[in-house]
Amino acid sequence: LAKTTQPISMDSYEGQEVNITCSHNNIATNDYITWYQQFPSQGPRFIIQGYKTKVTNEVASLFIPADRKSSTLSLPRVSLSDTAVYYCLVGDGDNAGNMLTFGGGTRLMVKP
Amino acid sequence: ETGVTQTPRHLVMGMTNKKSLKCEQHLGHNAMYWYKQSAKKPLELMFVYNFKEQTENNSVPSRFSPECPNSSHLFLHLHTLQPEDSALYLCASSQGASGELNEQFFGPGTRLTVL
Repeated sequence: LAKTTQPISMDSYEGQEVNITCSHNNIATNDYITWYQQFPSQGPRFIIQGYKTKVTNEVASLFIPADRKSSTLSLPRVSLSDTAVYYCLVGDGDNAGNMLTFGGGTRLMVKP
Repeated sequence: ETGVTQTPRHLVMGMTNKKSLKCEQHLGHNAMYWYKQSAKKPLELMFVYNFKEQTENNSVPSRFSPECPNSSHLFLHLHTLQPEDSALYLCASSQGASGELNEQFFGPGTRLTVL
């Protein structure tokens, strides 16, 4: 089971780019890296997923170095509504059952 | 709307009551999950079902009993709960249970209060 480590909290201002890095030193060969966003009293929402290099969608970019022992979620030009908790997850790739562990996440506060 | 619905949205029950939480997904997914989120704590994975078969039970007390009659429905039967079981219970589904198929879609949750 791959464990992840993220900063507990981050502050930013509207319009800035925010980069949240996650460490996953014991990631397995078949593991994918997935990021979720969660607002208070709501279920998490999928943001982006990747295996290696760079992935970009309409919401964010995910940078994964060659050794895959870390990943960085990049949120361009954040707004107040991006204030949320962001979770990094690494799936263990076992077809018999996939334990996905949500760590403590990173609490992002976007200020005006 | 994520395609995953949960009922009820709020539930208050006594320690001797029996109640059930219901989850339904309209996405054609094969895997479903129950999570527990207590105040200021990370989400805790409770159960995983893949093609109606339970594949993970994350050391959950027997007072929580899951049921998955088909790939679209998931229940969590509650019996003789404790006040510390008060939490937000989240259901999720995904196309598969591993790898890139594991993008999970979460329901809005059931806020449970045990008196």
